[in-house]
Amino acid sequence: DADVTQTPRNRITKTGKRIMLECSQTKGHDRMYWYRQDPGLGLRLIYYSFDVKDINKGEISDGYSVSRQAQAKFSLSLESAIPNQTALYFCATSDPTAPYNEQFFGPGTRLTVL
Amino acid sequence: GQQLNQSPQSMFIQEGEDVSMNCTSSSIFNTWLWYKQDPGEGPVLLIALYKAGELTSNGRLTAQFGITRKDSFLNISASIPSDVGIYFCAGQRGAQKLVFGQGTRLTINP
Repeated sequence: DADVTQTPRNRITKTGKRIMLECSQTKGHDRMYWYRQDPGLGLRLIYYSFDVKDINKGEISDGYSVSRQAQAKFSLSLESAIPNQTALYFCATSDPTAPYNEQFFGPGTRLTVL
Repeated sequence: GQQLNQSPQSMFIQEGEDVSMNCTSSSIFNTWLWYKQDPGEGPVLLIALYKAGELTSNGRLTAQFGITRKDSFLNISASIPSDVGIYFCAGQRGAQKLVFGQGTRLTINP
């Protein structure tokens, strides 16, 4: 069973539509993150949350919002999708008491905005 | 935004060859990590380094934390087909947020 799951795995949508990407984890980690991956740019942090009541902007938060409904769930929303938000999106979790801040990644959601 | 400079961006090698990639930054990091992303999956941690000058091995992988704390390299010896993927370096400096490099895409010809 996957420890970090993301739904949907693939999504094609049109400009202007509202999109929500879901992330769930069974690792019991307090910290969760959303990244986007673009070719040649690596992984860039969108938002992160250190517990249920905590939300923090990352490097590229404009055009995105998040909700941490429970320790195990962290969702990413695009209120009005635009084509340059076409990318691969990853959710990750980490345990602050573990060494190295190892982050565990979900399988990714490939989003295409037409 | 701040990013690490990772090179090369892509590599095309023959099976059995050794691979070397590196990351540099203008800022100091307290921890360096190397991740691998297999096609269609999320990145997975390969090696972590948290002491300047540290040299760490994990099987055929060897990584070093630069003495200046501004760079790190990863070597893969005797490459095999399952080494194909994208390799990312990541630096950490407090607050447990990671900064990732642009990635090195490794392709292996059998």
